[in-house]
Amino acid sequence: DAKTTQPPSMDCAEGRAANLPCNHSTISGNEYVYWYRQIHSQGPQYIIHGLKNNETNEMASLIITEDRKSSTLILPHATLRDTAVYYCIVRGYHQGGSEKLVFGKGTKLTVNP
Amino acid sequence: AAGVIQSPRHLIKEKRETATLKCYPIPRHDTVYWYQQGPGQDPQFLISFYEKMQSDKGSIPDRFSAQQFSDYHSELNMSSLELGDSALYFCASSKPGQPNSPLHFGNGTRLTVT
Repeated sequence: DAKTTQPPSMDCAEGRAANLPCNHSTISGNEYVYWYRQIHSQGPQYIIHGLKNNETNEMASLIITEDRKSSTLILPHATLRDTAVYYCIVRGYHQGGSEKLVFGKGTKLTVNP
Repeated sequence: AAGVIQSPRHLIKEKRETATLKCYPIPRHDTVYWYQQGPGQDPQFLISFYEKMQSDKGSIPDRFSAQQFSDYHSELNMSSLELGDSALYFCASSKPGQPNSPLHFGNGTRLTVT
């Protein structure tokens, strides 16, 4: 079962920052927080991941609270092409290879002109 | 940069037929994952392979089987197809030796069973 809770939908104005929250209150010490997005019927796209420090890349920033029970994905200047379902996923460690991703319900982000 | 390649992109089969989906991971990625996404659903994990051995198994029907070959490509074989098998099937791959290497997904195979 997914270990995260996200709002089912959010709206954002084009050019503004989109802040997508995620609760993961049962996260364990060695589990990472991953964010993916899926634009209609395309394969899920990796955005960013982190353990406890805030992370930034060319796509987004990830802010993780100090107790690690929640996080926020920030798209600094949303465009219409950012309209997608955003998945917050807690991922553990798998002995032998890499741990799978378990997708929950995600947040449907709609960026409006 | 090279991405995960899946073939075919679209596949139409009739009930009780068989289907084979192929996945070519990013070069030098040794772990492959298969996911199924039904209409209006979220991706569901089916099975994964690490270094050509099955590493994890999810809600994959017994009618389905998969394997990873020596060149690391993978095939998902589906037999006795049912209408409910109509879905998008995604393959993903990740880098070797890095347990928290992100998964990179292909654009999927859309299977329609009529």
